[in-house]
Amino acid sequence: KQEVTQIPAALSVPEGENLVLNCSFTDSAIYNLQWFRQDPGKGLTSLLLIQSSQREQTSGRLNASLDKSSGRSTLYIAASQPGDSATYLCAVNTGNQFYFGTGTSLTVIP
Amino acid sequence: EAGVAQSPRYKIIEKRQSVAFWCNPISGHATLYWYQQILGQGPKLLIQFQNNGVVDDSQLPKDRFSAERLKGVDSTLKIQPAKLEDSAVYLCASSVTGSGNTIYFGEGSWLTVV
Repeated sequence: KQEVTQIPAALSVPEGENLVLNCSFTDSAIYNLQWFRQDPGKGLTSLLLIQSSQREQTSGRLNASLDKSSGRSTLYIAASQPGDSATYLCAVNTGNQFYFGTGTSLTVIP
Repeated sequence: EAGVAQSPRYKIIEKRQSVAFWCNPISGHATLYWYQQILGQGPKLLIQFQNNGVVDDSQLPKDRFSAERLKGVDSTLKIQPAKLEDSAVYLCASSVTGSGNTIYFGEGSWLTVV
């Protein structure tokens, strides 16, 4: 069974810093990996989708990388802003199901 | 493009009562998912539909939870009778197909069982 882990569970950084969130998974047989953002009291908003054949995807200040062989993905956020404060979750798609990590709670301090 | 719609957004019930949640997926999305997210945890799949057929319901507590997707569009998730540990947010999601594509989530239905 696929296990997805996100470290750290919580992160607090001053505004303007660059930061990296980590996601690891146990089974490299995946279709794709997706990063989501979740604000308090809200559903999940898709940020980036990386197909298994891709190494990275970029959207604005966000860059996600995927290393299938090592079972790792990172989400890089450049020049963090207070509005980036949220919980970030990664989800691995095995073709049959999406497996979620428990998320990293990010706080960007003005 | 309209997103995934869910209702009600919030519900408070007493244990042993019943509750039903409704979901309308994005138009044209054949796959519909119901997830349960307990505070501080990642979403856990309860049931996955492809059109109006069940693909995976292995983690659905069938003694108290039921779900249906009539006509392959809207879906309803029911809990009867509710337990305290059912307090969670119930997320509906949809995708074009079951794999290889982005999954889109609704805002969730927040259930508190007292």
